[in-house]
Formats: sequence, structure tokens, C-alpha cells
Amino acid sequence: AQTVTQSQPEMSVQEAETVTLSCTYDTSESDYYLFWYKQPPSRQMILVIRQEAYKQQNATENRFSVNFQKAAKSFSLKISDSQLGDAAMYFCAYRSAETSYDKVIFGPGTSLSVIP
Amino acid sequence: KAGVTQTPRYLIKTRGQQVTLSCSPISGHRSVSWYQQTPGQGLQFLFEYFSETQRNKGNFPGRFSGRQFSNSRSEMNVSTLELGDSALYLCASSLSAGLETQYFGPGTRLLVL
Repeated sequence: AQTVTQSQPEMSVQEAETVTLSCTYDTSESDYYLFWYKQPPSRQMILVIRQEAYKQQNATENRFSVNFQKAAKSFSLKISDSQLGDAAMYFCAYRSAETSYDKVIFGPGTSLSVIP
Repeated sequence: KAGVTQTPRYLIKTRGQQVTLSCSPISGHRSVSWYQQTPGQGLQFLFEYFSETQRNKGNFPGRFSGRQFSNSRSEMNVSTLELGDSALYLCASSLSAGLETQYFGPGTRLLVL
């Protein structure tokens, strides 16, 4: 069974600085999708970024980028120029692309604080 | 386009009661998934529906059930509520099952007393 691990329960970053959130996963599959979701306090979860495992190029979305290391099964999220609005719980998630109806597996989350 | 909506947003029940939660997906989305989120267990998958059929189910007891209607709206039901069922229940929709990105609703916060 696939698992997703986020080893940093809490992290903090100074406003305007860069922070990297870690995520590792375990799978025997070669084709899958990885996601980072953001859940601000008392607000709904939104997709930050998505990565297809067959793509070697790391996904980027404005200030958010990932470092996808398939062999190491690592999928870290880098947030550049951190803003106060980035404070949230961040979840790393995995979904198989080999099984049409496989569920999304979420990591335990990393709580990010942004210090003004 | 309107996002995923969930009703009610907050709910207080007592042990032994049953509850029904509703989810309306984004227009055009045909897949709906349900998750339970608690501080201790994190986000746990409950089930996924596509075209009115349950496609996948998580490791929850039979007290948790769901269904999807022809307009893709979905409901989940929890019978014989237990204190441990207190959680944020999240619904997510996607265009189709499997590979599509999921978009989440605001959740229904259930408190069981």
C-alpha cells in the first residue's frame, strides 16, 4: 500500500523568505500523480501544485515550485517570497495513475507559520 | 463557475443519532469523494462516487454510507453516531474518477455529544 510522509509537523518562515516543505512517499508503481494542497485556518482546501510522475520537469506555479525526485520518492514544495497569506496547513498527496479508481492518499500535513 | 458546496456547514448531534451530509460538485464534475479529517488521524478517505456508482471505499465501518444522484450531487450518511465521529467532513469533486485533480468544498463540521 502506498504511504505519504511529511516529517515536519510545523515550520515557520520569515515574510519574504523562502521555505521548503518535505514530502516522501512509498509506492511500487511507476505512474502516479503527486499534489500539494493548502488548507488555511477555517478555510477550504485548495490545490497548490500538481506533478505527473512521468514528467521529469518540476512543476511550478508562480511562487510555488516542487523538487520531484522520483528515484528517491521525494516531492518537496518550495515557497518563494513567503507572504502572510501562505500561512496554512500543507498536505502532500498521492494518487495512482495505474488504477483508474484509486483513492488519494494524504500525508499528515505540515503547519506553516509566516512571521511578519 | 461555482465551487463545491457542502451543507450544512456545522452540525451538532448526540450519540446514537444519524446524520446526512450533502455535497454539490462543481458544474460538470461527475466524481465526488468524501474524506474525514480529524486532528489525530488526519485526512482519511471515505468513498468515491462516479456516475452514481461507488468506485472506491476506505476503511470505515458500515455505519458510513453514501450515494450519488443523477445530477452528481452526493450525500453521505452516518448512522448510530459515536463520539469519535466528530470531525470535519470534506467533499471533493473532479471531472471524472481516477486521474483528475480534486477540488474541495469548505467541509461540514460535525460535533457528536
